[in-house]
Amino acid sequence: DAGVIQSPRHEVTEMGQEVTLRCKPISGHDYLFWYRQTMMRGLELLIYFNNNVPIDDSGMPEDRFSAKMPNASFSTLKIQPSEPRDSAVYFCASSSTGASNTEAFFGQGTRLTVV
Amino acid sequence: GEDVEQSLFLSVREGDSSVINCTYTDSSSTYLYWYKQEPGAGLQLLTYIFSNMDMKQDQRLTVLLNKKDKHLSLRIADTQTGDSAIYFCAEDREGAGSYQLTFGKGTKLSVIP
Repeated sequence: DAGVIQSPRHEVTEMGQEVTLRCKPISGHDYLFWYRQTMMRGLELLIYFNNNVPIDDSGMPEDRFSAKMPNASFSTLKIQPSEPRDSAVYFCASSSTGASNTEAFFGQGTRLTVV
Repeated sequence: GEDVEQSLFLSVREGDSSVINCTYTDSSSTYLYWYKQEPGAGLQLLTYIFSNMDMKQDQRLTVLLNKKDKHLSLRIADTQTGDSAIYFCAEDREGAGSYQLTFGKGTKLSVIP
């Protein structure tokens, strides 16, 4: 398996534009997580899905952020409209179960810069 | 609230031991984790320890847990240049019924040849 695949690797956009980040989890994994990493706040969980259903989106910062998982092999994180403070590295991760001793596998991340 | 704290930087000479420390607040955490992030990459699970253990050893890695003080450490023996990375401590959120981790901000380990 190629692991968790995220695209694009880098995104530079202007303030106010819509940004869509994409993730393909590892096949067979039932859980998918979106994280945001910044210097100031470290790694934060934004939202996670179980069997394509959003379970907890309490980490989503604002209504400008939305996430979907239309099927087991694809998820998107959308920011509309984007703002400079959204600049961060966004990671997608997947795991086979929700148990605490299950490893979460991370993608390489999307570095978003909003100018 | 939950908070996981780590020092931000650590420098060691190649061949020496590295010790990365972490404190956490959720005394009901079931597992505590160490993740490694290499430049330009995502996080990779290094090791984890169950909360009723006080030590776990895996080759060059030794994890020590002091549950009373809520202190976790990762010792890397014979540190190599390939160990240069950011190391994240994480705890699971008790009662969440799912895999929800709270991460520290990471300790950047620099290995000097």
